[in-house]
Amino acid sequence: NAGVTQTPKFRILKIGQSMTLQCAQDMNHNYMYWYRQDPGMGLKLIYYSVGAGITDKGEVPNGYNVSRSTTEDFPLRLELAAPSQTSVYFCASRMGQGTEAFFGQGTRLTVV
Amino acid sequence: AQTVTQSQPEMSVQEAETVTLSCTYDTSESDYYLFWYKQPPSRQMILVIRQEAYKQQNATENRFSVNFQKAAKSFSLKISDSQLGDAAMYFCAYHPPRGTSYGKLTFGQGTILTVHP
Repeated sequence: NAGVTQTPKFRILKIGQSMTLQCAQDMNHNYMYWYRQDPGMGLKLIYYSVGAGITDKGEVPNGYNVSRSTTEDFPLRLELAAPSQTSVYFCASRMGQGTEAFFGQGTRLTVV
Repeated sequence: AQTVTQSQPEMSVQEAETVTLSCTYDTSESDYYLFWYKQPPSRQMILVIRQEAYKQQNATENRFSVNFQKAAKSFSLKISDSQLGDAAMYFCAYHPPRGTSYGKLTFGQGTILTVHP
């Protein structure tokens, strides 16, 4: 049982480049989330989805975009990378509200 | 917006001893959920314990227990018989009532726990 799988685990981007962080879950969860974790800080919500075709902004959405074409996949797109986007990114999913959220292993992104 | 505060940036404990991590939160809701997550150096977020606010009984999972004080909006985590493998960053998280906010979690800033042999 793979759970939540994020790729890549590490990435270095140059300022202005773009990339997509991949997230896939095999638990048939409807709810999926993208968080970022800055050094010494808690996780902040970037975007979330409550099902295929339905996404919405979280607390810190600027500079990011998402799509949810299938239940399993929830990619996060960074356009025109900036140093402020240097962070660790976590994808999470849950079956329903109030239940345990399962997290991927995170992607450490550095923008130079 | 809800806020979650962990006032202890770092804590340390001797192996086999007990340690308590503090968490306070702010909400006007009466029916919500609270979580403690552990993040070891591997970065993996692992659920430690879950509390439903409408339940007065404190949640317990083996060596981990909580002291949930609803009126005071306090949710502390007690780790008994601490082990070297307990060393990690611990996050307290608030989950709003079902039917609102789509299960979005609000996290505290985290507490780094060091366990000394």
